[in-house]
Amino acid sequence: AQSVSQHNHHVILSEAASLELGCNYSYGGTVNLFWYVQYPGQHLQLLLKYFSGDPLVKGIKGFEAEFIKSKFSFNLRKPSVQWSDTAEYFCAVNAGGSYIPTFGRGTSLIVHP
Amino acid sequence: DAGITQSPRHKVTETGTPVTLRCHQTENHRYMYWYRQDPGHGLRLIHYSYGVKDTDKGEVSDGYSVSRSKTEDFLLTLESATSSQTSVYFCAVWDAGTSYEQYFGPGTRLTVT
Repeated sequence: AQSVSQHNHHVILSEAASLELGCNYSYGGTVNLFWYVQYPGQHLQLLLKYFSGDPLVKGIKGFEAEFIKSKFSFNLRKPSVQWSDTAEYFCAVNAGGSYIPTFGRGTSLIVHP
Repeated sequence: DAGITQSPRHKVTETGTPVTLRCHQTENHRYMYWYRQDPGHGLRLIHYSYGVKDTDKGEVSDGYSVSRSKTEDFLLTLESATSSQTSVYFCAVWDAGTSYEQYFGPGTRLTVT
């Protein structure tokens, strides 16, 4: 069974700082990878996804993620965070062709103005 | 938001009472899911459905049952609610036709006293 690890549980940054959130998964086959964001009091929304092709994926709101197959990683980055990025971030993985994604435990990001 | 609604949005109930949560979608998606979200645990899959009358268990299915008699409705029932089932419950669908991603409902906050 696949598993997903998000190593940073809580991250606190000041505005304009750079962000990198780690995501590692354990599955040896083809995977589809996702990052979701959950703003306070809201439901999850997709930030970006990777299926194939260019391993550097750009998403909404200036986020990007890089798939490194050899490291089983899909880290989320943003060069300069804003107060409005305060949210919980979830990495999810599903085996290619599956419709049952596995979610990481999430990373809580607080950005101080 | 993929036309997903959940009802009720908030509910307080007593231990031992049955509770049914409803998820309704308007876009005819085949796959539907129920998750619970708890601090420190992220999203955990309770049950999912891959068609009318076709359902299967997720990782935390004990104490929960589901039914799907119509494509648009996916019901989650707590047969006899316990305090450990106090949580936020999210319904989701999988858009397998175009965007190949999950869309989440607004959530139901359930408190079992």
